[in-house]
Parts: sequence; C-alpha cells; structure tokens
Amino acid sequence: DAGVIQSPRHEVTEMGQEVTLRCKPISGHNSLFWYRQTMMRGLELLIYFNNNVPIDDSGMPEDRFSAKMPNASFSTLKIQPSEPRDSAVYFCASSFGGTGANVLTFGAGSRLTVL
Amino acid sequence: QKEVEQNSGPLSVPEGAIASLNCTYSDRGSQSFFWYRQYSGKSPELIMFIYSNGDKEEGRFTAQLNKASQYVSLLIRDSQPSDSATYLCAASSNNAGNMLTFGGGTRLMVKP
Repeated sequence: DAGVIQSPRHEVTEMGQEVTLRCKPISGHNSLFWYRQTMMRGLELLIYFNNNVPIDDSGMPEDRFSAKMPNASFSTLKIQPSEPRDSAVYFCASSFGGTGANVLTFGAGSRLTVL
Repeated sequence: QKEVEQNSGPLSVPEGAIASLNCTYSDRGSQSFFWYRQYSGKSPELIMFIYSNGDKEEGRFTAQLNKASQYVSLLIRDSQPSDSATYLCAASSNNAGNMLTFGGGTRLMVKP
C-alpha cells in the first residue's frame, strides 16, 4: 500500500490567496483526520471524518478553514483567505475501525508558508 | 492547560542507556494511550499503544500505564543514536469520541 498520500508537499503563497491541500487515505480506512503542527501549539486536530461524514470540526480555527470528503478516497482542506499565522505543517491521517478509531497512519505532510 | 502534558526536553542519554519518557493526562475518561515517534521533518509514526494498567513490552520499548496517577511512560532500552527523535504521547477518550489528543512531545537525543 502506498500509505496516506498528501499534496502538495510544500506550498508558499501570499496572504489572501486560497490554499487547497489534498489527501488520499489508505484504501479501506474509514476514518480520516486533518492535523496542524506548529512549534508553538504542537499537533492539533482540526477535523475528522468517519465514512466520509464530518464528525467533529471543533478544531477548525475559523470560517476561513473548510474541509470536504466527497468520497472514501479523497479529502481536501481549504484555507480562504490565507494568513501568515496559518503557516504550519498540515498532516492528514487515516485509520480503520469505529468512530474516531485510534491507530493513525500519517501522511508525509504539507508544509504551508504564507508570506 | 493541555490535556496531555510532556516535558519538551531535550532529554539527552548516552548510547546504550535506558531513556525514560513521561506523559501525564488530565481526562480521567481516557482509555487508550499511544506513543508516536517523529523524526525531524517527517511525520509521526506509531511505536506502540497500551490500554491496561501495567507494562507492555515490544522489543526495546516498554510502555507503562498507571491510570490512578494518570501517568504514561515509555522506556527505550539500549538507546541508539537512531532513536534520536521527538516522542509524542497521545490519549483517546470515549468522552471525546475516541479522538486522539497529542502532547507537545519530548525531544530525545542519544549521544554516541
């Protein structure tokens, strides 16, 4: 299995631009998670999906952030408009099991820099 | 206050020694605990998990859980320079829909 695939690996953009991060979970996994990691705040859960349905988005920082999972093999995290404080590494992770199943496999991450 | 707390380190140990990494959690409803390792610039990868009080050994790694004290630890025996990384403790709770909450991580440095 190719693992969790994220794109792009690196993104540099200017403040105010739209950013779209993409994730392909491991085939057969039914839960998908978006995390953000910064030096100051560590690894924070933004949102997670179970069977393509958003279960908890309480970690999404504000309305500028949105996430979708149109099917079992694809998810997007969108930031519009982007701000310098959004600079971070964004990880997608997937797992198999019940709601919020625990053993996560992480993707390689998307490093976002907003100038 | 974060729900899962770790000393940020760095924790420095000589090669061959035992490294002891500690973690405390605040949610008494937490039932499952996980240790992830993250090399610089890489993504977290699972080392092991523990559900029951006591010790669980996997190779050079031993996880210890004490639910009464809300304390989890990871021991790494015969530490190698390749063990140098940040170790993330995570807890999941039925109260939080079994989602994982991560600590800030402890940076471990194993010196040859």
